Amino acid sequence: GENVEQHPSTLSVQEGDSAVIKCTYSDSASNYFPWYKQELGKRPQLIIDIRSNVGEKKDQRIAVTLNKTAKHFSLHITETQPEDSAVYFCAARKHGDGQNFVFGPGTRLSVLP
Amino acid sequence: SQTIHQWPATLVQPVGSPLSLECTVEGTSNPNLYWYRQAAGRGLQLLFYSVGIGQISSEVPQNLSASRPQDRQFILSSKKLLLSDSGFYLCAWSALGTEQFFGPGTRLTVL
Repeated sequence: GENVEQHPSTLSVQEGDSAVIKCTYSDSASNYFPWYKQELGKRPQLIIDIRSNVGEKKDQRIAVTLNKTAKHFSLHITETQPEDSAVYFCAARKHGDGQNFVFGPGTRLSVLP
Repeated sequence: SQTIHQWPATLVQPVGSPLSLECTVEGTSNPNLYWYRQAAGRGLQLLFYSVGIGQISSEVPQNLSASRPQDRQFILSSKKLLLSDSGFYLCAWSALGTEQFFGPGTRLTVL
């Protein structure tokens, strides 16, 4: 089955700097890769996603890149702000495999003012 | 638009007591439904998923069970809670080709 690894487990950056979180997956059939942000005590919420037919996707300060050959994808946050502090989860899923979302273990991002 | 509800929001139960958590989805038909547990400061552990009424798949052996009596209702149960059952329980739904949408969660403390 699919296995998703995520690094780093914790990340601290100064406000205004960039943050990068990397995930690797094992199943080459996975073709959908969402990123979720979970603030303390709240539910995870989707912030950006990418499908396997795309190499990069950007939404304002957030971008995701995908390298299918190497089976890894990354979340990039530029100009970080204190409100970006949260736990971020990556996930991988195969097409049509609605039950098989596999999540990474999460990255706790702290943006220091 | 679709919404997902969970209740109760918080629950404190003694060890050995039963449990019933409920999740309902509005605004969609035949969703895939999921139960996750999240221990404090940890990741998302998939407990059960369901692709249709009465169809339940278990990901980990445990003293919990799940049922789907209606298309948009998903229930997590236990006959006797353990201390290790404490955590944040999240219900989620998805449709084919879409992301998962999480409910607000139930924070369970077993004493």
